[in-house]
Amino acid sequence: GQNIDQPTEMTATEGAIVQINCTYQTSGFNGLFWYQQHAGEAPTFLSYNVLDGLEEKGRFSSFLSRSKGYSYLLLKELQMKDSASYLCAVMESNYQLIWGAGTKLIIKP
Amino acid sequence: GAVVSQHPSWVICKSGTSVKIECRSLDFQATTMFWYRQFPKQSLMLMATSNEGSKATYEQGVEKDKFLINHASLTLSTLTVTSAHPEDSSFYICSARGEREPYEQYFGPGTRLTVT
Repeated sequence: GQNIDQPTEMTATEGAIVQINCTYQTSGFNGLFWYQQHAGEAPTFLSYNVLDGLEEKGRFSSFLSRSKGYSYLLLKELQMKDSASYLCAVMESNYQLIWGAGTKLIIKP
Repeated sequence: GAVVSQHPSWVICKSGTSVKIECRSLDFQATTMFWYRQFPKQSLMLMATSNEGSKATYEQGVEKDKFLINHASLTLSTLTVTSAHPEDSSFYICSARGEREPYEQYFGPGTRLTVT
């Protein structure tokens, strides 16, 4: 079956580093996306991984291991504005996105 | 580029009335658009996939007669909530699939529907 798992909630301190994990089991794989969603707003695109390895974009990095069905989103130098939900989504062979339930990240001063 | 607009941003309607929500891709053509709903503190729930010029594909449990989807052009999809009830109150978000790989989804700002 199709399944995407990520922690429900995480707490971190301003200025620190946090890693949000995502594991998946899908029938096909055409890439993995990370989106950020602030409360009451629509999701915004953060990153896309289709090959194994680390993709870095400023303070945010995303890692993928296809053999392990595993990805993580790494956020460095955390800022209060990073408080949001982070959604992991896998694109299947038919380009349909399967969404995780999201990880609510709480940043404390 | 890749901007998706949604209208209205919020709407309050009375129980039993219908509400239409528009989703437009402003600077690209979107053969495929998606409609989601999201309850407070919950994740996105895909309602249906809208393909230009053909009938929408609804997810299991979503009533197609209640949530009417029309995708008559490459830049516009509409969702009509018919005979709305208070339990239909939710945050409705549309997205449009990009034209090139990785075919990411670009989201509209969402519509908050309150049915009284």
